[in-house]
Amino acid sequence: EAGVAQSPRYKIIEKRQSVAFWCNPISGHATLYWYQQILGQGPKLLIQFQNNGVVDDSQLPKDRFSAERLKGVDSTLKIQPAKLEDSAVYLCASSSSGIGDIQYFGAGTRLSVL
Amino acid sequence: SQQGEEDPQALSIQEGENATMNCSYKTSINNLQWYRQNSGRGLVHLILIRSNEREKHSGRLRVTLDTSKKSSSLLITASRAADTASYFCATHSRTSGSRLTFGEGTQLTVNP
Repeated sequence: EAGVAQSPRYKIIEKRQSVAFWCNPISGHATLYWYQQILGQGPKLLIQFQNNGVVDDSQLPKDRFSAERLKGVDSTLKIQPAKLEDSAVYLCASSSSGIGDIQYFGAGTRLSVL
Repeated sequence: SQQGEEDPQALSIQEGENATMNCSYKTSINNLQWYRQNSGRGLVHLILIRSNEREKHSGRLRVTLDTSKKSSSLLITASRAADTASYFCATHSRTSGSRLTFGEGTQLTVNP
């Protein structure tokens, strides 16, 4: 079974630029999550999708972050414009049902904002 | 405030020794999960314990849950250098919908 795929692995941008991350979840998993993990901290949920609908985006900074999950499969997370404090690892995870389920994580995208 | 808080923040032991990490949380939970993260990688699920369970085992891992004290512990027996990683507890709370809330993690170093 293929795992969660994320790209790119690394991205370096300057502040005020835009950036996008891509995630392909495990086949058949209905629920997809995007997390932000700042160095030395635990992952913080940004947004959760159930199929192609948003379940929880209460911690997403909506003035600069956006995410979509077209056709209930792949997802993209965008930051526009980026700030220095957005430097972090962005993790994508998926689970089969979503209700307190085991989550399967991708390797993440390490973003550095200069 | 953090739902899951791990203790200690960092732990260094010798190969063959046991490692114990603790997690405390604040609200009622449905389940508590432990994940491992190797440097520069994503998280890997280790074990899930439900609120009505007190202890679970998986290989060299033993997890306990005390809902009266709102705490959990992860014991790794006979540690190996390959166990070097960050360990996170994550709670699924009755009040947080389907969200998992992660703690800050314990950095475990196992010296060969």
